[in-house]
Amino acid sequence: SQKIEQNSEALNIQEGKTATLTCNYTNYSPAYLQWYRQDPGRGPVFLLLIRENEKEKRKERLKVTFDTTLKQSLFHITASQPADSATYLCALDNSWGKLQFGAGTQVVVTP
Amino acid sequence: GAVVSQHPSRVICKSGTSVKIECRSLDFQATTMFWYRQFPKKSLMLMATSNEGSKATYEQGVEKDKFLINHASLTLSTLTVTSAHPEDSSFYICSARDSLRAGNSPLHFGNGTRLTVT
Repeated sequence: SQKIEQNSEALNIQEGKTATLTCNYTNYSPAYLQWYRQDPGRGPVFLLLIRENEKEKRKERLKVTFDTTLKQSLFHITASQPADSATYLCALDNSWGKLQFGAGTQVVVTP
Repeated sequence: GAVVSQHPSRVICKSGTSVKIECRSLDFQATTMFWYRQFPKKSLMLMATSNEGSKATYEQGVEKDKFLINHASLTLSTLTVTSAHPEDSSFYICSARDSLRAGNSPLHFGNGTRLTVT
């Protein structure tokens, strides 16, 4: 069956450091992968999309890598700020063209 | 940017009653909308795909008679939880994709509805 795995343990990080989150998947052959941010009690907000032929994508302080051989994506927040504290979700299209989400990793940035 | 408005944000109802949740795309048209359900610290679980002008398609294990979906226009989809029971208490989130954009374009989410059934 298709699975998307993200680290369930919260990532506690000091302000200014780089947070790195992992998304591993099995039984998918995705053409692209997406990352979203979700704050408590709110809907997810789209951050980045990376295609299978792209190794890396950047947007401001965010960087995403996509390794289709390892079946893994890494999500980096550089120079992290307390406002970056949230849960980050990765998402893939399943075999039927519908977006499936990982459970997310909570990031807590302390001053 | 694209905005999806979802109402109500919170609702408390008694067991056996029905609750309707609305999802509107405010500045774009959405032929397709998606309804998700989320439990605490769990991933979003896709419940159904709402198709404008036609029947919704439900994921395996989701009761279509329990969760009625109507997508009467290109900007509005509704989810009605019928004869609600305490186990239906959850966070329901809708999302939509701009019909004019490619199929791999991002989803725009509403802010969810916290349903509590007493």
